[in-house]
Amino acid sequence: SQTIHQWPATLVQPVGSPLSLECTVEGTSNPNLYWYRQAAGRGLQLLFYSVGIGQISSEVPQNLSASRPQDRQFILSSKKLLLSDSGFYLCAWSVPGGIYGYTFGSGTRLTVV
Amino acid sequence: RKEVEQDPGPFNVPEGATVAFNCTYSNSASQSFFWYRQDCRKEPKLLMSVYSSGNEDGRFTAQLNRASQYISLLIRDSKLSDSATYLCVVDSNDYKLSFGAGTTVTVRA
Repeated sequence: SQTIHQWPATLVQPVGSPLSLECTVEGTSNPNLYWYRQAAGRGLQLLFYSVGIGQISSEVPQNLSASRPQDRQFILSSKKLLLSDSGFYLCAWSVPGGIYGYTFGSGTRLTVV
Repeated sequence: RKEVEQDPGPFNVPEGATVAFNCTYSNSASQSFFWYRQDCRKEPKLLMSVYSSGNEDGRFTAQLNRASQYISLLIRDSKLSDSATYLCVVDSNDYKLSFGAGTTVTVRA
């Protein structure tokens, strides 16, 4: 069966520090991968998605970036965090086309102080 | 216009009651529809897919109305454990799903 792993679960980082969140998927190949952010009490905001190695599409201009160095690995990064980057970050995967919906990782709760 | 719109609620209902709510979507070409459940401070989890003919999963019934572009979710015999935020999800285009902001349901004893 397919599983998705996301870490760390919680993170407190100072403003201006770098960020690296990692997500890996097991039990499938060539998944579509997604990074979402959810601010407190708000809906899901799609940040990046990828349909293959090295293929990244950005939805929202910001100081975050994403990379997909391997088929089942998706990384979210920032060189310098802002206070507004605080939120709940969720990685998700789907089969190509997303016809069966997305499966989410357990999320990373990031607080920038 | 947002791709997916939901009544945020909250819907406060007693145990055993029936609660129903809708969401509307803007893309008439959408083909895939889902309801997700999100508990507080947790990741969203797939509750059920929504099929054109309507479908049930235990106490949950989902309906799709393509002509009016809305999806509904009905929960019968509500349990305390049904308290959550329910997200309406619709495929947009180019490999992506659009998520509504969610409808909050609180079931009270």
